[in-house]
Amino acid sequence: DTGVSQDPRHKITKRGQNVTFRCDPISEHNRLYWYRQTLGQGPEFLTYFQNEAQLEKSRLLSDRFSAERPKGSFSTLEIQRTEQGDSAMYLCASSLDTTSEQYFGPGTRLTVT
Amino acid sequence: GQNIDQPTEMTATEGAIVQINCTYQTSGFNGLFWYQQHAGEAPTFLSYNVLDGLEEKGRFSSFLSRSKGYSYLLLKELQMKDSASYLCALLDDYKLSFGAGTTVTVRA
Repeated sequence: DTGVSQDPRHKITKRGQNVTFRCDPISEHNRLYWYRQTLGQGPEFLTYFQNEAQLEKSRLLSDRFSAERPKGSFSTLEIQRTEQGDSAMYLCASSLDTTSEQYFGPGTRLTVT
Repeated sequence: GQNIDQPTEMTATEGAIVQINCTYQTSGFNGLFWYQQHAGEAPTFLSYNVLDGLEEKGRFSSFLSRSKGYSYLLLKELQMKDSASYLCALLDDYKLSFGAGTTVTVRA
């Protein structure tokens, strides 16, 4: 296994458009996390899945954001009606359990013009 | 909030030792992680402290004092490839809360 993968790596979109990102975690990891990172800051927690169940969604996520993990494997993060403030690096991470290290993917860099 | 504070930048010479401090204010957490992040790349795990004391992993060591709300990451025998951002993060149940990171520049 080569680690956590994310697709696409870069996305440029116009304000108001919808975008969807995909994350493939390490295969035996049933915990999956999404974070957002802006320049000069550490990653901020967005949401957490245990298998297919979404157990927490941060207040940072407005109703325009939705995440799914339909079969407990890959996950998608969708942003509807994008705004310039959504421009950031979106990082996905996975772990074996909640106290183990989280392995991060390379991220999807979103630019909203 | 957990108010995690780290210095913004540090510069050191190749072969030297650098200590990156991290202070926090929180009532409880499961453990403290240190991650390394090169520009434009994903954070990669360096070290994890659950109990007070020193954890050593090769050239990298991390220390935690829960009573003092303090941790540090020690980088020894610095190499040019160690130039990166170093992130301190607290684990609360399953959520990592990160500091803003310390950018370390290693000079020849």
